[in-house]
Amino acid sequence: GDSVTQMEGPVTLSEEAFLTINCTYTATGYPSLFWYVQYPGEGLQLLLKATKADDKGSNKGFEATYRKETTSFHLEKGSVQVSDSAVYFCALSASKAGNQFYFGTGTSLTVIP
Amino acid sequence: KAGVTQTPRYLIKTRGQQVTLSCSPISGHRSVSWYQQTPGQGLQFLFEYFSETQRNKGNFPGRFSGRQFSNSRSEMNVSTLELGDSALYLCASSLAQPSTDTQYFGPGTRLTVL
Repeated sequence: GDSVTQMEGPVTLSEEAFLTINCTYTATGYPSLFWYVQYPGEGLQLLLKATKADDKGSNKGFEATYRKETTSFHLEKGSVQVSDSAVYFCALSASKAGNQFYFGTGTSLTVIP
Repeated sequence: KAGVTQTPRYLIKTRGQQVTLSCSPISGHRSVSWYQQTPGQGLQFLFEYFSETQRNKGNFPGRFSGRQFSNSRSEMNVSTLELGDSALYLCASSLAQPSTDTQYFGPGTRLTVL
């Protein structure tokens, strides 16, 4: 079945460090891929998305490229800030009737000054 | 445009009781999905409603049910509450374009079962 495997956390980085959070997926058909972010006490917010192979999603300095050949959608940011501290979820939406998302387990990121 | 709203934000119940949670989607969104989030299991899909019909269902017992009204607002009900039902329940709405659509999440309802 469809699934997402996400890098285990927690991840602790110093401010201005480079961030990579790995995400790989298994899906039949042609899924869309998403990164969501969750701040403490809040719901999930869409960070970026990509709907087809080789698409690059970007937002707030974060980027992820939909790689069909490696079934990956790794999240990257060149220089993290303290305000980026949150939990990040990779997700896929499969090509089927309905709108069901499959989420990874989440990666907790803490950025220290 | 107002976001997804969920009420109540916090609930405390005891085992055996039942609870109803409410979700109002973004205006114009016709699909509403529900998720359970726990530290141990992460985000698990409960069900999705579209045009008042349940279109997808996750792997949860029949104690978990839902419905959608003609204005797209949705409710979920959990009967005979168990301690393990303590979780953050998230509602998400979308325009309902399968595969490419984005789900927009509400802030969640924190349910504690004592």
